[in-house]
Amino acid sequence: DQQVKQNSPSLSVQEGRISILNCDYTNSMFDYFLWYKKYPAEGPTFLISISSIKDKNEDGRFTVFLNKSAKHLSLHIVPSQPGDSAVYFCAARAGANNLFFGTGTRLTVIP
Amino acid sequence: DAGITQSPRYKITETGRQVTLMCHQTWSHSYMFWYRQDLGHGLRLIYYSAAADITDKGEVPDGYVVSRSKTENFPLTLESATRSQTSVYFCASSTVSLPLHFGNGTRLTVT
Repeated sequence: DQQVKQNSPSLSVQEGRISILNCDYTNSMFDYFLWYKKYPAEGPTFLISISSIKDKNEDGRFTVFLNKSAKHLSLHIVPSQPGDSAVYFCAARAGANNLFFGTGTRLTVIP
Repeated sequence: DAGITQSPRYKITETGRQVTLMCHQTWSHSYMFWYRQDLGHGLRLIYYSAAADITDKGEVPDGYVVSRSKTENFPLTLESATRSQTSVYFCASSTVSLPLHFGNGTRLTVT
């Protein structure tokens, strides 16, 4: 049973506009959330994270929002660039650095 | 700075064969992990290790064996490969803190 869900398999956005990727989770014991980016034939690379005690974390063009009451996480990319085209995974920690991953959203940024 | 390396990158094996996937990290990270990536499932944890000689099962451990005699190595063995184990396997490592750092994966096909 998937504890971390990404319900949108794909998303297309024009270059320069905002990309919003969403993630929902079911386990209220998750205490830390991360976003990873993955290019073909490479491993996932860490992008940004947020602790469960915060509701927002920003790093350059990337901002992660956490709504604990709704068990919802989102990643905003502004402005989107063609190099952002990749598969994005959200992940949540359940202790001992064990991460549960979503199924991924493929983002395509159209030049 | 080699980081974390996995070998082989690609492997084809037959049903019933034993196969070992290798993972080596140069950071002296205490934690190491094995994940598999399948369509519709995202990344799922197979086994993890908090330190040398300490291993624990993850979400999908059946059919796999791990060992960790040295901090830098964490091999994953499929004792008798099955077609359902056809997947992309990712090794990762971390300190006691997140995030996890992933290798580039091994694509395994079981015929």
